[in-house]
Amino acid sequence: DIVMTQSPDSLAVSLGERATINCKSSHSVLYSSNNNNYLAWYQQKPGQPPKLLIYWASTRESGVPDRFSGSGSGTDFTLTISSLQAEDVAVYYCQQYYSIPYSFGQGTKLEIK
Amino acid sequence: QVQLVESGGGVVQPGGSLRLSCAASGFTFSNYGMHWVRQAPGKGLEWVAFIRYDGSNKYFADSVKGRFTISRDISKKTLYLQMNSLRAEDTAVYYCARDGDYWIWGQGTMVTVSS
Repeated sequence: DIVMTQSPDSLAVSLGERATINCKSSHSVLYSSNNNNYLAWYQQKPGQPPKLLIYWASTRESGVPDRFSGSGSGTDFTLTISSLQAEDVAVYYCQQYYSIPYSFGQGTKLEIK
Repeated sequence: QVQLVESGGGVVQPGGSLRLSCAASGFTFSNYGMHWVRQAPGKGLEWVAFIRYDGSNKYFADSVKGRFTISRDISKKTLYLQMNSLRAEDTAVYYCARDGDYWIWGQGTMVTVSS
C-alpha cells in the first residue's frame, strides 16, 4: 500500500505571502508508459466536499486561480499558493490514484497569520 | 455538467445495515469507474471502494472488506454502497466520485452508527 505523508500538519501564513505544502509518497506514483504522476491536490472547507485543485501533479483544474501550482515527480510533491488570500483558509489534501488502495495524505490545515 | 448526488444516509444501530445511492448525470455513466470515499467527523479522507466501468471488478479497503459491497445500475445511472455489520467507526460522510484523469465528487451523505 502507498502511504502519503504531508508536511507540515498545519501552517500559518500572512496574507499575500507564499504558502508551501509538501507531500511524500512511499512509492513512486509516476506511470512510465504515459509519464504522468497520479497525484492530485484538494482543498476542503468546513461542511464542503473536497475541491480539486491540481491533477497529474501539476495540471490546474479549470477555474482554479493561477496562484495555485503543483510540482514534483515520483515520490515528492509540492503545492504552492503564491500569494495567500483570505479565502484560501482550508485543509489541503494530496491523493495518489496510481494504485489500489488509493490513499490520501493526512491533511494540512492552512490559516492566516 | 457532471453531477453526483448521494442519498440514503442516516442513523443506524451497530450491527445494522444501510444502502447508499449515488445518482449520476451529465456524463455517460457506463464509461466510468466509480468510487466511494468517506470522512469521519474531524478526520481525513479514506478511500472505501471502487467498481470498474463495466462492473467486472470491485475493490475494497481492508477496513470494510467482507462487510460492504459496491454495485451499479447502468439503466438507472446509479451507484450503490451496501453497508452491513456497521460499526461506530463507520460513522462518516460518504462521498461518491467519478474515476478518470481526475476525480469528480458529490456533496456527500452522512452515516451515523450509534445506539
